[in-house]
Parts: sequence; structure tokens; C-alpha cells
Amino acid sequence: NAGVTQTPKFQVLKTGQSMTLQCAQDMNHEYMSWYRQDPGMGLRLIHYSVGAGITDQGEVPNGYNVSRSTTEDFPLRLLSAAPSQTSVYFCASRGIGRNTEAFFGQGTRLTVV
Amino acid sequence: AQSVTQLDSQVPVFEEAPVELRCNYSSSVSVYLFWYVQYPNQGLQLLLKYLSGSTLVKSINGFEAEFNKSQTSFHLRKPSVHISDTAEYFCAVSDDTGGFKTIFGAGTRLFVKA
Repeated sequence: NAGVTQTPKFQVLKTGQSMTLQCAQDMNHEYMSWYRQDPGMGLRLIHYSVGAGITDQGEVPNGYNVSRSTTEDFPLRLLSAAPSQTSVYFCASRGIGRNTEAFFGQGTRLTVV
Repeated sequence: AQSVTQLDSQVPVFEEAPVELRCNYSSSVSVYLFWYVQYPNQGLQLLLKYLSGSTLVKSINGFEAEFNKSQTSFHLRKPSVHISDTAEYFCAVSDDTGGFKTIFGAGTRLFVKA
């Protein structure tokens, strides 16, 4: 019963470094998404995917890239980290319908110094 | 596109007191509404959801929420809270555009005091 698995749980980056946050789900969900959580701002959608090979931007996509080569995996890439990207990142997956609940990973706490 | 407004950022309450966490959403032809709970240092998990049918929905741990179409609200209530209910609560709505995105409110932090 792994559900949604995110790695790493914690990461410290220097400004300008790049890294990839990993997300994998074992529920055969078509829909996967990445959110960032900042105090007082709730969850903001970064990117999402409705299936392998299909991705789209959310409300705060700048500075992030995604790809979806398989149903299971949806990595999030920070191309050149900035202090404004210090946040907690959550990956979520769900079935494709509007009435399906989202399952979340445990989060990645990223600090950019 | 949908939007969600949670009217209270923090709600302090004493143990065994009742609580209401407020949520309003933008209107649409059909709405699917959710409440998620986030305990400290964890991801979000579903608390309850309204899809159709009865406007009052309940969770297994005593929370309930009522869908009110005329007021476009989906407030979360519990008649008697416990210390263990301390968490952040998020109201969410399914977007009605082609991407079927889930739109979250800003969250309400519930503090239950002894």
C-alpha cells in the first residue's frame, strides 16, 4: 500500500543549483500534479498531467519543468533554484474524473539558500 | 474556473467545544466539493466529500459538512472537538475546465486547547 511516494523528504540547495523531486504512484492513476505549499497561501498548482506524455501548466509554473513518460512517475525539475522556491512541495495523484479524491505524498521540504 | 475561499485562517477552540470552519466556492453548473486534513509534517488526506445526493456528508471521526447551493458554501462542523483534531483543514473544489484541476482554499488552522 505505498500510494504516492515522494523523494527526498528534505533538501537544501544553493541558489542556481538544479535538482529533481521524484514522485511515484502505484494506483494506476491517470492524473498527477505538483503543488507548493506556502504559509497563508494554501496549495498552489505548479504543473499537472492527465496521462503519460501529457502535461500542462498550473498557476505557478515558472522555474519548474515536468515530464510524464510513464503512468507511475511524475518528476518535478527545478532548473536553477532561487530562494523564492523555498517551500514544501506535494505530489498528488487521482483518477481522471472530477469526482475522485486526490492522494498526496508526504511532501518535500526544500530550502534554497 | 472555480475558486475557493476559506474565511478563517486560524480557529482556536477549547477541547469538547463545537467548531465550524467556513468555506465558500464560486458557483458552477455542477460542483464536487472536498475537505482535506493535514496533520503536522504530513501530506493531505481526504476527510469527506460531496458529490451528489444528500447535502449533509459525514466523516468517520465525527466531522460533517453541508452543501448549500444557494449560499455556495460547504462549511465543516464538529459538535465536540478533541486535542487530536488540531490540524490544518483545506476546502477544495473540482475545476470544471478540461484539465479537471483540484482547486484548494488557503487552509484553516484549527488549534484545540485543553
